[in-house]
Amino acid sequence: EVQLVESGGGLVQPGGSLRLSCVASGFTLGDFPMHWVRQAPGKGLEWVSGINWNSVNIHYAESVKGRFTISRDNAKNTLYLQVNSLRPEDTAHYYCARKVGRAFDFRGQGTMVNVSS
Amino acid sequence: QSALTQPASVSGSPGQSITISCTGVRSDAGDYKYVSWYQHNPGKAPKLIIYDVSHRPSGVSPRFSGSKSGNTASLTISGLQAEDEADYYCGSATTSSTHVVFGGGTKLTVL
Repeated sequence: EVQLVESGGGLVQPGGSLRLSCVASGFTLGDFPMHWVRQAPGKGLEWVSGINWNSVNIHYAESVKGRFTISRDNAKNTLYLQVNSLRPEDTAHYYCARKVGRAFDFRGQGTMVNVSS
Repeated sequence: QSALTQPASVSGSPGQSITISCTGVRSDAGDYKYVSWYQHNPGKAPKLIIYDVSHRPSGVSPRFSGSKSGNTASLTISGLQAEDEADYYCGSATTSSTHVVFGGGTKLTVL
């Protein structure tokens, strides 16, 4: 069964950092581009960042560029998102997803990041 | 990134059909004109229900169908069931991921 398990979220003060992880099972992570998508409370889905299979092509939303860093370790079947200089507006559920063609396949329940003093 | 616009809410009774629109989809050549649809219950994983405008992933009910005309994509759910109550999002993403955008979401209420 294909599964993605996100972790690493929590309560952090503005300006703080976290490292989110997404562990894949049931498929080979290295076969897919991977992405992070978030949902702020009461808001819709917002694409955050994506990385291709060999980490050569990386893209970020303007709202997180320069503060967030996406990376992957295919040997460990794990995707990461380093989130720095956090702001209250970064408060959201963060989901990882594998990219299948031109669509996203979400398989995890996400991890919650709460930025508050 | 160009925006995709959805109605904030739609509703229907069990057994009826409803359609959710998604405007602002590009209609030029290449990847930009392809739309996917996701069903989401907050706190759970969003579920891909339509990709490339009208294709259903394996295991998705045939009650869900997608179409596109000009700059507007549509998701139709026929034979509404209580379990269909959820938020629905359209999305557009090129294969290279240089362009990724989601619509604002539509809350479906089954009366």
